Amino acid sequence: DTAVSQTPKYLVTQMGNDKSIKCEQNLGHDTMYWYKQDSKKFLKIMFSYNNKELIINETVPNRFSPKSPDKAHLNLHINSLELGDSAVYFCASSRIQGLGANVLTFGAGSRLTVL
Amino acid sequence: KQEVTQIPAALSVPEGENLVLNCSFTDSAIYNLQWFRQDPGKGLTSLLLIQSSQREQTSGRLNASLDKSSGRSTLYIAASQPGDSATYLCAVSSNTGKLIFGQGTTLQVKP
Repeated sequence: DTAVSQTPKYLVTQMGNDKSIKCEQNLGHDTMYWYKQDSKKFLKIMFSYNNKELIINETVPNRFSPKSPDKAHLNLHINSLELGDSAVYFCASSRIQGLGANVLTFGAGSRLTVL
Repeated sequence: KQEVTQIPAALSVPEGENLVLNCSFTDSAIYNLQWFRQDPGKGLTSLLLIQSSQREQTSGRLNASLDKSSGRSTLYIAASQPGDSATYLCAVSSNTGKLIFGQGTTLQVKP
């Protein structure tokens, strides 16, 4: 039933490790996003994919590599994790990109803690 | 560069009070503005979306206004209830569809 599902919900790991967060949407949307919410609650866009193509890349370090095997999935892989990567990562999707894209459906978030 | 600010950062009110949450943005060239609700451990739920040509939107006890020229929006919650306790986020959109969020106002409504 869940429209946008993310796994895992919680992730605790050591500095230097590589980890992935998966996201799937069953809404038939063409566009998917990754947002990062830091400890101060600011929610910032990281990436946007439309039909498996990268549309937005907000100068995120190249340790972050999104992968979209199909338009229903957008996974986030993070290499060489750093303390500053600790945050809640939200996946979202929308029907189309651009002007009509603002009705986003968000996942429940994945809380990453780097020790 | 667009910046979105929400005041206050936190608010605590007794049940039944009417309240106003504020949002300001630095660049008036927005496509639309949205108010979201975020509950702990959950994703964001869109509450109201105001197009740049509109002045306000209403949904139940919620009313959102937009004054694009002054870079301000307010979310008015009437007759607040404990179930309204959550973090409320304001976000503006450029014509590329990218959302810029404020840091949110955490609301607690006490029974």
